[in-house]
Amino acid sequence: GENVEQHPSTLSVQEGDSAVIKCTYSDSASNYFPWYKQELGKRPQLIIDIRSNVGEKKDQRIAVTLNKTAKHFSLHITETQPEDSAVYFCAASMGNQFYFGTGTSLTVIP
Amino acid sequence: KAGVTQTPRYLIKTRGQQVTLSCSPISGHRSVSWYQQTPGQGLQFLFEYFSETQRNKGNFPGRFSGRQFSNSRSEMNVSTLELGDSALYLCASSLDGMPYEQYFGPGTRLTVT
Repeated sequence: GENVEQHPSTLSVQEGDSAVIKCTYSDSASNYFPWYKQELGKRPQLIIDIRSNVGEKKDQRIAVTLNKTAKHFSLHITETQPEDSAVYFCAASMGNQFYFGTGTSLTVIP
Repeated sequence: KAGVTQTPRYLIKTRGQQVTLSCSPISGHRSVSWYQQTPGQGLQFLFEYFSETQRNKGNFPGRFSGRQFSNSRSEMNVSTLELGDSALYLCASSLDGMPYEQYFGPGTRLTVT
């Protein structure tokens, strides 16, 4: 089955700096890669996603890149703000079965 | 549209008991997936239901089971509870087919004592 690895497990950045979280996947058949943000005590929320026919997608301060050859994808957050502090999960899917990374706890220091 | 709802939100059970959790998907969503989330772990996939059929299953023992009703609502059952079953159980719903955007419910926090 699919195996998704996520790094780093914790990340601290100064407010205004950029944050990058990286994930690798094992199954080349995976074709959909969402990112979720989970604040403490809340449900995971979809923040951005990318499909295998696209190399990059951007939504305001958030961007995701996908390298299908290397089987890795990354989340980039620019101009970080304290409210970006949360746990971020990447996932890879084929159809409706999702495989999640173990999460990155991001802390933005004011 | 109303989001995914789960009931109950909190449960305390004793080892050896069984428990049933409920999930109501977003209107129109026919796929429901269940995940177990424990501290320090990612979301571990339990199973996925579509049109009342279990379509995918993760690597959990047979004590974990589920079902889906004709209105797409889903239930998850855990029998013979163990201390290690204490976790946040999340369900997520999605439309079938691309895009596979999955939306999560608030979860049920299960504590086994």
